[in-house]
Amino acid sequence: QKEVEQDPGPLSVPEGAIVSLNCTYSNSAFQYFMWYRQYSRKGPELLMYTYSSGNKEDGRFTAQVDKSSKYISLFIRDSQPSDSATYLCASPLSGGYNKLIFGAGTRLAVHP
Amino acid sequence: NAGVMQNPRHLVRRRGQEARLRCSPMKGHSHVYWYRQLPEEGLKFMVYLQKENIIDESGMPKERFSAEFPKEGPSILRIQQVVRGDSAAYFCASSPEVRADGYTFGSGTRLTVV
Repeated sequence: QKEVEQDPGPLSVPEGAIVSLNCTYSNSAFQYFMWYRQYSRKGPELLMYTYSSGNKEDGRFTAQVDKSSKYISLFIRDSQPSDSATYLCASPLSGGYNKLIFGAGTRLAVHP
Repeated sequence: NAGVMQNPRHLVRRRGQEARLRCSPMKGHSHVYWYRQLPEEGLKFMVYLQKENIIDESGMPKERFSAEFPKEGPSILRIQQVVRGDSAAYFCASSPEVRADGYTFGSGTRLTVV
C-alpha cells in the first residue's frame, strides 16, 4: 500500500465549478500536509500547507484535513482555466522535513 | 531572485553513457533535495544534501547514482551507465533551513535514455 494515495484523474470541469481533490494516507505519524500545483513541464509549487485536522482557507482554495479517517482534501471555488494543472498532495516523513512523500497527482482540466 | 535553476532542461543520453544534472539553489539556501518523477507518477525523494554533506540518501538507487553539493558551485546528480528506466524528470528543490513548507522547486531536467 502506498503511503499517500491519490486518484490520478483526469478531472474535467467547466469554468466556475467547485473542484474537490482528495488524498488518503496510511501513516498515522503524518502531521503536516501540503498541496502542490504543477503546471505542465514545470516544477511543483506550494499551494497550501496545513497542520493537523481542520480547514485552512486561502482565497479560492481551502485545504481540509481529517486525521480520524486519514483523508485530506483541496477545494477550489470558482475554478478558472488557469487552474488547469496537476495537483499533488504531500506529507513530510515524521522526524524531519527533509523528505516529502507525494501522491501520484490528480490532473485537472478547467474548460471555458 | 532567480529561483532554483536546473540545467540542462532536456538531456538525451544513449544507454551506457553518463548523465550529469545540475542544480543551483536559490540565493541563501543551503539545503538541496533531489526528486525523481516517472511518467504518471508522483515525485519520489532521492537525496537531501547540505553544503559538502549528504544528509539522507535513502531514496537513491544503490548503484550508478551519486549526488554532491560542493562548497562552491551547483549540486550535481550523476547517473552512470544510464538505462532506459532512468528516463524521467528530475527535480531539485532548495530551502534556507529544514522546513517542509520552505521548499522551492526548479523546473526540472527531463532525461531521455535512447
